[in-house]
Amino acid sequence: DSGVTQTPKHLITATGQRVTLRCSPRSGDLSVYWYQQSLDQGLQFLIHYYNGEERAKGNILERFSAQQFPDLHSELNLSSLELGDSALYFCASSATGNSYEQYFGPGTRLTVT
Amino acid sequence: DQQVKQNSPSLSVQEGRISILNCDYTNSMFDYFLWYKKYPAEGPTFLISISSIKDKNEDGRFTVFLNKSAKHLSLHIVPSQPGDSAVYFCAAITSSGTYKYIFGTGTRLKVLA
Repeated sequence: DSGVTQTPKHLITATGQRVTLRCSPRSGDLSVYWYQQSLDQGLQFLIHYYNGEERAKGNILERFSAQQFPDLHSELNLSSLELGDSALYFCASSATGNSYEQYFGPGTRLTVT
Repeated sequence: DQQVKQNSPSLSVQEGRISILNCDYTNSMFDYFLWYKKYPAEGPTFLISISSIKDKNEDGRFTVFLNKSAKHLSLHIVPSQPGDSAVYFCAAITSSGTYKYIFGTGTRLKVLA
């Protein structure tokens, strides 16, 4: 158990809908990262928050947004969902903004029908 | 542009033998490298890392080798055990300038009993 929790575990929704994925980092970790893993693909970095502020952006679509709250949990919002958004979404946390080792949650499997 | 590549999607090895997983990168600014292991239905877990100032790091049965001139790193598992069967991701980091954390596409290792 990495100490990172993600909810929900599974999510099935229709095209055009909006969903929110939630992540709670390990106790004391200030950084949260979001990744997308599509079928047979590697982990695509989406966005990094450190202590409430956006630190870096990766291949994140404009339809997606994220935030980190004062209690350090983070939410990833996905809107106008398309079939191609079906994927595993992982959250990871680390102690600082430039930590090397990241601790991953179990992921949220999103299926868009 | 895939800056970190794992060209072998899968690898099968007999129990007790050596497993060698390879990773190539293109960006000479990467200064830290990590290997993660991922079991089905779980998030990746950190395995071993190496700084760009070293060419080898060992931790029990796991050894990572870095060849900077070839922009190549490899993970050796000796001896391989059935519990090592998982997907292995390499990751590369640039810690100076724009912080980047890039994963490869993964290699599925199957250790045969």
